[in-house]
Amino acid sequence: EPEVTQTPSHQVTQMGQEVILRCVPISNHLYFYWYRQILGQKVEFLVSFYNNEISEKSEIFDDQFSVERPDGSNFTLKIRSTKLEDSAMYFCARTRTPSGEETQYFGPGTRLLVL
Amino acid sequence: GESVGLHLPTLSVQEGDNSIINCAYSNSASDYFIWYKQESGKGPQFIIDIRSNMDKRQGQRVTVLLNKTVKHLSLQIAATQPGDSAVYFCAETESGGGADGLTFGKGTHLIIQP
Repeated sequence: EPEVTQTPSHQVTQMGQEVILRCVPISNHLYFYWYRQILGQKVEFLVSFYNNEISEKSEIFDDQFSVERPDGSNFTLKIRSTKLEDSAMYFCARTRTPSGEETQYFGPGTRLLVL
Repeated sequence: GESVGLHLPTLSVQEGDNSIINCAYSNSASDYFIWYKQESGKGPQFIIDIRSNMDKRQGQRVTVLLNKTVKHLSLQIAATQPGDSAVYFCAETESGGGADGLTFGKGTHLIIQP
């Protein structure tokens, strides 16, 4: 059983459009993360989110990206103006305990295709 | 910048044999390491982890070895099964806190031959 669920499983969008990817943790924990994986490449860290604030972000996470937890449950990643190179798998992850132990458990991912 | 990398992109072993997947890291401040398994179209699945104050840790059919002197990490899988076919990633992080993102290696594709 997955630690988190992600929606949608697949999304196709036109370049320049905004997309919102959603992550729904099964139980209420504090640390959440977004990663992306371009086809055939390694997984890359984007951002970590703790207590409704960004804790850490990578160089990839530029101004076109934003994260929030609008309803206290769903954790979203927004890409404001998609580019072709944003095509990738996007994974949400979380740590299992509220104390934020290091082990991160990943969701099944959203496959984003930008045309 | 600092990175985690793998020596072999593809490893092919006979079913029932043991396999060893290697990983080199360059960040001397790394103190927590994880091995993930990724099957096609799925998210990374946790296999086993190890902290920098250990040099070996065993799980069910898997063993992780850490050599901090040469910054090398390996995953040993005993008696490989067809279900072990996947891409295996090592990942590391510096601190013990929950906020830090993981740095992943490039992955090794393990192929189990019947």
